[in-house]
Amino acid sequence: DADVTQTPRNRITKTGKRIMLECSQTKGHDRMYWYRQDPGLGLRLIYYSFDVKDINKGEISDGYSVSRQAQAKFSLSLESAIPNQTALYFCATSDRYGGEQFFGPGTRLTVL
Amino acid sequence: AQSVTQLDSQVPVFEEAPVELRCNYSSSVSVYLFWYVQYPNQGLQLLLKYLSGSTLVKGINGFEAEFNKSQTSFHLRKPSVHISDTAEYFCAVSDFDFGNEKLTFGTGTRLTIIP
Repeated sequence: DADVTQTPRNRITKTGKRIMLECSQTKGHDRMYWYRQDPGLGLRLIYYSFDVKDINKGEISDGYSVSRQAQAKFSLSLESAIPNQTALYFCATSDRYGGEQFFGPGTRLTVL
Repeated sequence: AQSVTQLDSQVPVFEEAPVELRCNYSSSVSVYLFWYVQYPNQGLQLLLKYLSGSTLVKGINGFEAEFNKSQTSFHLRKPSVHISDTAEYFCAVSDFDFGNEKLTFGTGTRLTIIP
């Protein structure tokens, strides 16, 4: 079984809809991250959490919110989706030291 | 603040030829450095990492990278590429900010292997 899972894997939605992307991990890591990937821009950090009670904004948090429900679960929400939020979204985890991150398979989100 | 530059957005290489993917970083403190690979329709997986010690780092699938502090570079190399190496490659840097490490990614280099 995969260590980091994301649901759904693909989602098509309409402008103005609320969307939640979910991430679960079995690695026992404290730290979790949400990124978006756009062609030619690489990965950009949206939000990150170093433990259950810790939530931090990343580089591009506007229009997004997160919830850390448990050590193993970290959800990303788009309160009112807009077309320029069409992207590939990745969840990642890491332990406390060294910075190596482990990525989920990604969610491809299309906002029409 | 840290940043990463991958100057080559696309690199075409003939099969069995050598390849070098370039990565330069900027940071005001010591860093950790990483190369990740993304195969088509998949997530990212770690190729190799530099935390400390030897500046020549060996990774999976025959890749290696050399940390050059004076040139602030961490170029990725492979002496002979295969079709299966077709993927996008991302360089990433993390400031050595104990307890607060975050990764900053480059914009990626798409490696295409020509048969």
